[in-house]
Amino acid sequence: DSGVTQTPKHLITATGQRVTLRCSPRSGDLSVYWYQQSLDQGLQFLIQYYNGEERAKGNILERFSAQQFPDLHSELNLSSLELGDSALYFCASSVAAGRTDTQYFGPGTRLTVL
Amino acid sequence: GQQLNQSPQSMFIQEGEDVSMNCTSSSIFNTWLWYKQDPGEGPVLLIALYKAGELTSNGRLTAQFGITRKDSFLNISASIPSDVGIYFCAGQLLVGWGKFQFGAGTQVVVTP
Repeated sequence: DSGVTQTPKHLITATGQRVTLRCSPRSGDLSVYWYQQSLDQGLQFLIQYYNGEERAKGNILERFSAQQFPDLHSELNLSSLELGDSALYFCASSVAAGRTDTQYFGPGTRLTVL
Repeated sequence: GQQLNQSPQSMFIQEGEDVSMNCTSSSIFNTWLWYKQDPGEGPVLLIALYKAGELTSNGRLTAQFGITRKDSFLNISASIPSDVGIYFCAGQLLVGWGKFQFGAGTQVVVTP
């Protein structure tokens, strides 16, 4: 158990809908990262937050947005869903307090768009 | 995104054999991380390396941070069936706060 929690574990929805994925980082970690992993693909970095502020952006679509709250949990919002958005979405957390860092991943949310 | 060159893409080995995979880049890294991912699960951290030349073991796993800071390798000795999975490398860039790059993964299949 990495200490990173994600909910829900599975999500099935229809095209055009909007969903929210939730992540709680490990205790003491200030940074949260979101990744998308499509079938048989590697990890695609979406976005990183550090202590409530956006720190880095990757290949995140405009239909997607995220935020990190004062208690450091984070939410990833996916809207106007398309079939191609079906994937595993992972959250990772790290301390991000120095020049060296270690990311710990959550168990993921499997999103299926029908 | 996936900007690290990870090889091989897949390996089919017999139980008891050793496995070796590596990641290379033209960029310089502060940190190298190695993960294992089972199907449908989150990547699990295996080994973390923070210093050029560092050699670290975790049971039958050994990983090294390349002396040039641009590469890393992971070895698995005496493979067993539960070693099956996808192994990812990740490097934290020397420049760019908190930016990680990931390899595409090495799929390991172990046959009895």
